[in-house]
Amino acid sequence: DTGVSQNPRHKITKRGQNVTFRCDPISEHNRLYWYRQTLGQGPEFLTYFQNEAQLEKSRLLSDRFSAERPKGSFSTLEIQRTEQGDSAMYLCASIGANTEAFFGQGTRLTVV
Amino acid sequence: GDSVTQMEGPVTLSEEAFLTINCTYTATGYPSLFWYVQYPGEGLQLLLKATKADDKGSNKGFEATYRKETTSFHLEKGSVQVSDSAVYFCALLPAYSGAGSYQLTFGKGTKLSVIP
Repeated sequence: DTGVSQNPRHKITKRGQNVTFRCDPISEHNRLYWYRQTLGQGPEFLTYFQNEAQLEKSRLLSDRFSAERPKGSFSTLEIQRTEQGDSAMYLCASIGANTEAFFGQGTRLTVV
Repeated sequence: GDSVTQMEGPVTLSEEAFLTINCTYTATGYPSLFWYVQYPGEGLQLLLKATKADDKGSNKGFEATYRKETTSFHLEKGSVQVSDSAVYFCALLPAYSGAGSYQLTFGKGTKLSVIP
């Protein structure tokens, strides 16, 4: 494995539907982040895992968003009852011992 | 909480011009500092980093020095190329969780366009 993998790369969904994204971090990395990025903006922090524990969640994050990292390996991000404002690029990053964060290519969500 | 402020873009330069993108930060203690680059249609890539005061990060002709006294980490390159056209993000990672956050915090990004 040479990097962080995110699936799917693109997702189009109707408003009100639920969606789930997956992130497979670099295998030896125990820290994992989810971010959201909209056009022309910097990445916005969503949540952080250390191993399987979710240690931090953005206070701005709606309760429609939930994330898991069972067994401290891959992670999933679910958005329930999607809204048009959820349209964005969702990024996953993992960090190892050297503090360098490696990002996946992202999942682009479009809510119609 | 922690924050990163970087100069507003877009920045347009001619090839071989000198580049500076300013970045200042607010954080507790000694965070690690990073510059990330995002080429059109691609994901974020780490460009360089510095983990303690006075460290200089460098990569691909880009440099940035961790200045604790001015809480800055400005990105510089002596001679830009068309291929450097991208969005550049300054970011920080807290040194410890005592401040209550593990966030890797980003600036809003600076778009650089280099014209031949």
